Amino acid sequence: AQTVTQSQPEMSVQEAETVTLSCTYDTSESDYYLFWYKQPPSRQMILVIRQEAYKQQNATENRFSVNFQKAAKSFSLKISDSQLGDAAMYFCAYRSPRAGGTSYGKLTFGQGTILTVHP
Amino acid sequence: EAQVTQNPRYLITVTGKKLTVTCSQNMNHEYMSWYRQDPGLGLRQIYYSMNVEVTDKGDVPEGYKVSRKEKRNFPLILESPSPNQTSLYFCASSLRPGQGLNTEAFFGQGTRLTVV
Repeated sequence: AQTVTQSQPEMSVQEAETVTLSCTYDTSESDYYLFWYKQPPSRQMILVIRQEAYKQQNATENRFSVNFQKAAKSFSLKISDSQLGDAAMYFCAYRSPRAGGTSYGKLTFGQGTILTVHP
Repeated sequence: EAQVTQNPRYLITVTGKKLTVTCSQNMNHEYMSWYRQDPGLGLRQIYYSMNVEVTDKGDVPEGYKVSRKEKRNFPLILESPSPNQTSLYFCASSLRPGQGLNTEAFFGQGTRLTVV
């Protein structure tokens, strides 16, 4: 079974600075999907960024980028030019592309990292 | 607008009183699932459904039931709620794995359940 670990329960950053959230995972699969979700106080789960494991290029979405290290099974999220609206809980998640098995379609989540942005 | 709608958003109930949390999606997704979120544990899958009348257990299914009679709806049923089911619940829908490259899951607004 896959596992996802976020070792930083809390992180903080000054507005306009850069912060990196860590995520490691364990899997025996060679192809899979990784995600970062943001959960603001409204509780809504918002997709921030997605990475397909077969792609070597790191995904980017505006101020958000990832550092995907497949061999090390690491998937960190970098937020540049942090804004007050970035304050939220961030979840790293893994999804298998396999069309069968006990992990069918399941998102496996890390424990979450609470990000505080200081003005 | 593509969305997953959950109701209610907040629910306080007493031990043993049956309740249902509804979930509906308008994206024609075949795959739907329920998760519970607890502090320090992230989100864990309760049940999932691959299509109408096809459901299966996730990681924490004890004390829950689901049904999938229509493609758009996937209600979560707690027949005899207990205090350890106090949690934040999310419904999610997506394409089936292998159905395309876009495997993003769309989440409902969440239901905060308190069982006293």
